[in-house]
Amino acid sequence: DTGVSQNPRHKITKRGQNVTFRCDPISEHNRLYWYRQTLGQGPEFLTYFQNEAQLEKSRLLSDRFSAERPKGSFSTLEIQRTEQGDSAMYLCASSPWDSYNEQFFGPGTRLTVL
Amino acid sequence: AQTVTQSQPEMSVQEAETVTLSCTYDTSESDYYLFWYKQPPSRQMILVIRQEAYKQQNATENRFSVNFQKAAKSFSLKISDSQLGDAAMYFCAYRSAEDTDKLIFGTGTRLQVFP
Repeated sequence: DTGVSQNPRHKITKRGQNVTFRCDPISEHNRLYWYRQTLGQGPEFLTYFQNEAQLEKSRLLSDRFSAERPKGSFSTLEIQRTEQGDSAMYLCASSPWDSYNEQFFGPGTRLTVL
Repeated sequence: AQTVTQSQPEMSVQEAETVTLSCTYDTSESDYYLFWYKQPPSRQMILVIRQEAYKQQNATENRFSVNFQKAAKSFSLKISDSQLGDAAMYFCAYRSAEDTDKLIFGTGTRLQVFP
């Protein structure tokens, strides 16, 4: 088991471009979460999936953001028409279905919007 | 809505000494979980310790222990025999046991450990 992986690790883009991040959870973890962490802050919840179903979306997830988990395995987070305020670390986590279980975090994708 | 507050942006401790990181939270729920996560520089976040709200006994994991005061909505982390490898950002987090599955984090405390 290699843990949660995220790609790319770093992304620099120009304002107005679209970007897509990928998260591969720990195998057999049916819950997958996305968080955003800005400098000096704790992670903020964006959305989560149970298998392929998106169960909750934060108000932080504007219309420019979309997340998918088509086969209940890996997930993608797309940001359209990026803005400088989107610059942040995007964290993915996974867990088995049990509210007691910890969420295992990936290393994150650092997005810089110029 | 639930909130988590960490009022200490930075703390420092001498190697082998003990340090306590503070966390308070606000919730109207009676059943929930509390966590401390560690985020080393440029590395991924890992779980340090967790506490179920219905348990009165404080959780302990080796050198890490918590002081959980449910009535006061306080959840502090004590690190004993501090080691250089304990230097990191520490985040307190809340998770409902009643509805949503998301973690709600505090703003973190940066811990420095001096030799």
